[in-house]
Amino acid sequence: EVQLVESGGGLVQPGGSLRLSCAASGFTFSVYDMHWVRQATGNGLEWVSTIGTAGDTYYPGSVKGRFTISRENAKNSLYLQMNSLRAGDTAVYYCARGQGGLAFDIWGQGTMVTVSS
Amino acid sequence: QSVLTQPPSASGTPGQRVTISCSGSSSNIGTNYVYWYQQLPGTAPKLLIYRNNQRPSGVPDRISGSKSDTSASLAISGLRSEDEADYYCAAWDDSLSGWVFGGGTKLTVL
Repeated sequence: EVQLVESGGGLVQPGGSLRLSCAASGFTFSVYDMHWVRQATGNGLEWVSTIGTAGDTYYPGSVKGRFTISRENAKNSLYLQMNSLRAGDTAVYYCARGQGGLAFDIWGQGTMVTVSS
Repeated sequence: QSVLTQPPSASGTPGQRVTISCSGSSSNIGTNYVYWYQQLPGTAPKLLIYRNNQRPSGVPDRISGSKSDTSASLAISGLRSEDEADYYCAAWDDSLSGWVFGGGTKLTVL
């Protein structure tokens, strides 16, 4: 079964750091682009970052310089290192896969990140 | 404010056909594929349409997507109570070098 499972969410103070993980199974992880997408409570989906199969990375302006996406193909794992966290980063964070013209076709269940003092 | 514009709400009665629009620009919908996702309450999004009008296996053919110039639409015919959900469009934006989502449309089945 194709599956993505996020972990690492929790409560962190403003200015703090957190590292999210996404464990992939059931497919050849290395041939897929991988993404992080977040959703604040009651709000819509917001793209957070993408890493390509060659390790190329992309970020929106809202997180660029604070978040770092990475992958470890040998462990079928995706990561998101989040630094200098702000209250506005509070959201459920989903990992998702994509390939060519098939973007965000499989999603994890999400992990909640709360930034609060 | 989202780069892709969707109506915040839509509604229909069982059996009806409803459409949800998604408006963008030449840098996103105008030149790239459009995707549609369904999000049921408390669950992760699910891919409904890819490459403008293609359905993944398991998505019924009463759900369809289309694109024209810088706009796209999702159509659901034979509306059912289980279609009540939030729907999002998405596309790659060449100017932003990133993915953009619509603000979402809450579909209510009356």
